[in-house]
Amino acid sequence: ETGVTQSPTHLIKTRGQQVTLRCSSQSGHNTVSWYQQALGQGPQFIFQYYREEENGRGNFPPRFSGLQFPNYSSELNVNALELDDSALYLCASSFYRGEVNTEAFFGQGTRLTVV
Amino acid sequence: AQSVTQLDSQVPVFEEAPVELRCNYSSSVSVYLFWYVQYPNQGLQLLLKYLSGSTLVKGINGFEAEFNKSQTSFHLRKPSVHISDTAEYFCAVSDPSGNTGKLIFGQGTTLQVKP
Repeated sequence: ETGVTQSPTHLIKTRGQQVTLRCSSQSGHNTVSWYQQALGQGPQFIFQYYREEENGRGNFPPRFSGLQFPNYSSELNVNALELDDSALYLCASSFYRGEVNTEAFFGQGTRLTVV
Repeated sequence: AQSVTQLDSQVPVFEEAPVELRCNYSSSVSVYLFWYVQYPNQGLQLLLKYLSGSTLVKGINGFEAEFNKSQTSFHLRKPSVHISDTAEYFCAVSDPSGNTGKLIFGQGTTLQVKP
């Protein structure tokens, strides 16, 4: 089975630009969650997508948005980039259906630098 | 609101010595608990998980953790560490719904294994 893959691995953007990060979930998983990990910090939950809809959001502004596709892959979009958006963005997939959950498996992350 | 506190930001230890990384959490409901490891410039890898049942949980690479409900702790232990265990370790809890893709992480503990 394939694991969670993210692209690109590194990205440099200018303040005010927009960025799209991509994630392919692990085979058999139906849920994708996105996390932001600032340098020296623990990951922070941005949002989760389940059945192609947002299924919960952390404390992040609306300029952080996402999509989930029928094959369960996902995109994270960030508009109007700010310097503080510089971080490692992690994607995690899991299987979720009410009482049934698997643990989350993480990708290698995308390192975003905003200059 | 749920939270996770990792009590030590850095733990230096000599090779082949035992180690304990401490984690306390706060939650008004039963939660799932996890320990993840992060090697430099990589994503998160699951070490072990507590969902229910036995309070002593064994994971990969010789790690184990003990769930203590009365003390709301989930400390990670290894009887003999190796140089290759040098990494960042994160304790996490699931959100109150039990959705394992929605995790609240601690700030992390850097384990530094010295020869």
